[in-house]
Amino acid sequence: DAGVTQSPTHLIKTRGQQVTLRCSPKSGHDTVSWYQQALGQGPQFIFQYYEEEERQRGNFPDRFSGHQFPNYSSELNVNALLLGDSALYLCASSFTYFEQFFGPGTRLTVL
Amino acid sequence: GDSVTQMEGPVTLSEEAFLTINCTYTATGYPSLFWYVQYPGEGLQLLLKATKADDKGSNKGFEATYRKETTSFHLEKGSVQVSDSAVYFCAFTIAGGTSYGKLTFGQGTILTVHP
Repeated sequence: DAGVTQSPTHLIKTRGQQVTLRCSPKSGHDTVSWYQQALGQGPQFIFQYYEEEERQRGNFPDRFSGHQFPNYSSELNVNALLLGDSALYLCASSFTYFEQFFGPGTRLTVL
Repeated sequence: GDSVTQMEGPVTLSEEAFLTINCTYTATGYPSLFWYVQYPGEGLQLLLKATKADDKGSNKGFEATYRKETTSFHLEKGSVQVSDSAVYFCAFTIAGGTSYGKLTFGQGTILTVHP
């Protein structure tokens, strides 16, 4: 049984560009959450998707948006990239409100 | 607001030493508590959890007890190994309300174990 997968593994962008990160949840899971982990910090909650809708949102600007597809996979989009968006982006999946399982993350570097 | 405070790191121990990493939380509601571990270059793995007061979570020799009166969830291990070297995160989620399902994390504690 494959766990949570994320792509790409690493990404380098320049300021002002847009980026899309992808996540496939663990089999049987219907909820996907996204977190941003800056270097040396704990993960910060960005938002959560359930039934193709954003259910909760953390304290992140509208430049951060997402989508969930009918197969429960999800995308995180970030527009107008800033240097401060450089971080490890973690996807976690769960069955409704239960235990979250994390993927390996996508390392985004903004130059 | 909701927050988690972890013991400042890094923590450096010799193999077979006793480990304690302190964690306290501030939560608006009744939280479920977790410890996650992150090995170099990897995502987070759930280490243990406790969902109500006085519960003890345990896994791979690690233990933590949910102390509601002190709002704490300290991580302990009696004898650490080199392979335990990683970053440890304390976290919680709250059942109900607008935070349900959202994990709130501490800043992490780096543990290095020397042979």
